[in-house]
Amino acid sequence: DARVTQTPRHKVTEMGQEVTMRCQPILGHNTVFWYRQTMMQGLELLAYFRNRAPLDDSGMPKDRFSAEMPDATLATLKIQPSEPRDSAVYFCASGLIQGETQYFGPGTRLLVL
Amino acid sequence: AQSVSQHNHHVILSEAASLELGCNYSYGGTVNLFWYVQYPGQHLQLLLKYFSGDPLVKGIKGFEAEFIKSKFSFNLRKPSVQWSDTAEYFCAALLDSGAGSYQLTFGKGTKLSVIP
Repeated sequence: DARVTQTPRHKVTEMGQEVTMRCQPILGHNTVFWYRQTMMQGLELLAYFRNRAPLDDSGMPKDRFSAEMPDATLATLKIQPSEPRDSAVYFCASGLIQGETQYFGPGTRLLVL
Repeated sequence: AQSVSQHNHHVILSEAASLELGCNYSYGGTVNLFWYVQYPGQHLQLLLKYFSGDPLVKGIKGFEAEFIKSKFSFNLRKPSVQWSDTAEYFCAALLDSGAGSYQLTFGKGTKLSVIP
């Protein structure tokens, strides 16, 4: 049963520290999405990749967030330096072709103190 | 800008009551529509999707949704809810951003609480 995996599942850190979240998309999927979910804003698209190339990262604060896909089996989302307002659940999703369903990972619950 | 609106933030129903959650999108072109469900403490799961064809779409767990193009709506329905349907429901629209790219835009979600 193929699924998207994310690590870590939970992260508590102090303000100013670097946070790295990892996502392993479903094997063979060529699009990867990063979302952030908060009570106030709901689900927000941060960035997405097709064939490892970033297509849209307009939803991401550029000064502290960065997203990369070093290879087809790994996507990373980094926050440096982290701030309390970054506390949220970060979801990764992957899909196969345009119009196809996105499959979500379990999320990384981040708390920045 | 493209957007997806869900009218109700929180809906409370008794078991066996009928459910309808509203969803509207603002986009005039081709759109694919989805409903996702998030049970407490879990990740999003797909309930149903509409790409083309019959505008009445049936999903898992007895849910269905109707695409009404003239109203830009994709409302979710279930004739009789159960306590286990307590969750947050997200409507989403896959919109063509142009130049071969696309974006999945989510509504802010509707919390459903079903009282036994």
